[in-house]
Amino acid sequence: GENVEQHPSTLSVQEGDSAVIKCTYSDSASNYFPWYKQELGKRPQLIIDIRSNVGEKKDQRIAVTLNKTAKHFSLHITETQPEDSAVYFCAARGRGSTLGRLYFGRGTQLTVWP
Amino acid sequence: DGGITQSPKYLFRKEGQNVTLSCEQNLNHDAMYWYRQDPGQGLRLIYYSQIVNDFQKGDIAEGYSVSREKKESFPLTVTSAQKNPTAFYLCASSRKTATNEKLFFGSGTQLSVL
Repeated sequence: GENVEQHPSTLSVQEGDSAVIKCTYSDSASNYFPWYKQELGKRPQLIIDIRSNVGEKKDQRIAVTLNKTAKHFSLHITETQPEDSAVYFCAARGRGSTLGRLYFGRGTQLTVWP
Repeated sequence: DGGITQSPKYLFRKEGQNVTLSCEQNLNHDAMYWYRQDPGQGLRLIYYSQIVNDFQKGDIAEGYSVSREKKESFPLTVTSAQKNPTAFYLCASSRKTATNEKLFFGSGTQLSVL
């Protein structure tokens, strides 16, 4: 099956700075890479995703980049705000894996200090 | 968010006892999933189901059982064979599994051992 590694496990930044979270995957057949955000005490929610036919996708202050050759993808948050503080999970879905299930990374606890 | 409901919010299990976690969705989604969340472990898949009366084991199915008798319901039973059941359990649903469909999560159940 797929193996998704996520780094760092914790990240602290000052408000207004940028934050970058990186993930690697093992299955070259994976073709879909979503990012979920889980605020404290709340359920995870999809914030952005990217498909293997695209190298970069932006949505306001967040962007995701994908390097298929190196099998890694990253989440970039610019102009961070305290409300960006949460746990972020990356995931990968393999085209070849059974029934296209998602494999999640272990999560990154992002803290944005005012 | 409001389309998938988990109950109870908190659950306590005694030694040797089976307990059942409820998950109901009114989104008319075909696929449903159970994840276990432990600190620093990310989201680990226990079981998932694509269609009524069918389900597959995830990565950590030992000590758990599920049923899918109705499209809207996917209860998870934590059996006495699960020796370390204390965790936060998340149910999720999506329209399909083998496509790039986003997951909708429930609000979770915190299970603790007495």
